[in-house]
Amino acid sequence: EAQVTQNPRYLITVTGKKLTVTCSQNMNHEYMSWYRQDPGLGLRQIYYSMNVEVTDKGDVPEGYKVSRKEKRNFPLILESPSPNQTSLYFCASSFGDRVNEQFFGPGTRLTVL
Amino acid sequence: GNSVTQMEGPVTLSEEAFLTINCTYTATGYPSLFWYVQYPGEGLQLLLKATKADDKGSNKGFEATYRKETTSFHLEKGSVQVSDSAVYFCALKIQGAQKLVFGQGTRLTINP
Repeated sequence: EAQVTQNPRYLITVTGKKLTVTCSQNMNHEYMSWYRQDPGLGLRQIYYSMNVEVTDKGDVPEGYKVSRKEKRNFPLILESPSPNQTSLYFCASSFGDRVNEQFFGPGTRLTVL
Repeated sequence: GNSVTQMEGPVTLSEEAFLTINCTYTATGYPSLFWYVQYPGEGLQLLLKATKADDKGSNKGFEATYRKETTSFHLEKGSVQVSDSAVYFCALKIQGAQKLVFGQGTRLTINP
């Protein structure tokens, strides 16, 4: 089954404690992206990757890091989480530049206390 | 800049009612336009799309027409069902850009 998986699905943590949210896709997609979803703001792109070892900033990259060492994985790293990073995070992937046909993961709800 | 504005939610309707969710956009150049749906506890799914002026996208009984003159892409359905309860996002993509620009989302609840 074609899918994008994220782990964990739910996470409660404390300020400053480094965390990683994993994202994996099994569709051999080149393009992968991370979004955060906040009430009244819709989805905002954090980072994206056009292919292995190619990443670029989205609209709200501050406080986040990503890496793309393998085609299937695109982890999101919060080196020192803060309460304003409490949000619902989505990973997505697609072929090439067909970003309108992105497959979205189920989401990770992060709470930073 | 490029942006998408959706009607304020939440929207609550009775089953079989007519649905309209307004969406307007501001864009440099000629965008492609999309509606995504997010069912409870799930990620977004592409619902329909239109790539040029006067195109009509349709899927699952939903329709939206790309209106360049009014910079709009309103979502409509003639008779909604309880299973249509979800959050709906309007989005655009500028040709050559590597990202989608989303509206803020509209939560739709259909009561039986």
